[in-house]
Amino acid sequence: EVQLVESGGNLIQPGGSLRLSCAASGFTSDYYAMNWVRQAPGKGLEWVSVISGNGSYTDYADSVKGRFTISRDSSKNTLYLQMSSLRAEDTAVYYCAKLGGATVLSRADFWGQGTLVTVSS
Amino acid sequence: DIQMTQSPSTLSASVGDRVTITCRARQSISSSLAWYQQKPGKAPKLLIYKASSLESGVPSRFSGSGSGTEFTLTISSLQPDDFATYYCQQYNSYSWTFGQGTKVEIK
Repeated sequence: EVQLVESGGNLIQPGGSLRLSCAASGFTSDYYAMNWVRQAPGKGLEWVSVISGNGSYTDYADSVKGRFTISRDSSKNTLYLQMSSLRAEDTAVYYCAKLGGATVLSRADFWGQGTLVTVSS
Repeated sequence: DIQMTQSPSTLSASVGDRVTITCRARQSISSSLAWYQQKPGKAPKLLIYKASSLESGVPSRFSGSGSGTEFTLTISSLQPDDFATYYCQQYNSYSWTFGQGTKVEIK
C-alpha cells in the first residue's frame, strides 16, 4: 500500500527557515518523480516544486524560486522541502505527491495528508 | 505558465443529476490534463488523467473528455459522496498549473 507521510510543519516567524519531510513507502520511491503542492487556508491548489525520479531535474514555482530547495534521500525513502526566507504568504498546508512515472510531466496519483506551515510573528 | 480556467466556480445540484465541469487552457496542452476531487480537510484524490483515462478504483460515473484547450469532467449521476471541490490540472509544461476549483454543493 502506497503511503506518504509529511512532517515538519510548524508556526514560524517571517524570515525563518523550516524543513518539511515526506516519508514514502509501498513503492519504489527512487523511480517516481515527486512534487510539493500547497494550499493556503480557504484557497485552491498551488504547485510548489518537482524533482525527477533520479533527482537530476528540479523545478520551482516563481513564488518560491531562490528560497525553497527540493531534495530526496533514496536510502531513507524520503522527500524534503527546505524552506527559507519564509513570508506570511507561504502559510499553507503543504502536500507531497507521487507522480505517475519517472518523468516530471505526469499526473499526481497519490498524495500525502499534508502538513501545516504557518508564518506569523 | 499556462493559465487554467474552470467553470462554474460553484455548482448546486441534486443526487442523481448529471453534472459537467469545464476547464479551459490558455494554450494547447494536448491531453496532459488531470482532474482531482478534494473534500474538506483531506488531500486531493486523482480521478482522471490524460484527459479521459479513469484512475483505478474511481467509479465509472466519472468521465473526462477533451484535448487541446477545452476539457470537461462529467459525473453521470451525482451521488452523496461526490459533493466536493474539483480541480483540473495541466502537466504539459514543467510548471504545473491548477484551475481555481469548482465546488459542487447540495441543491
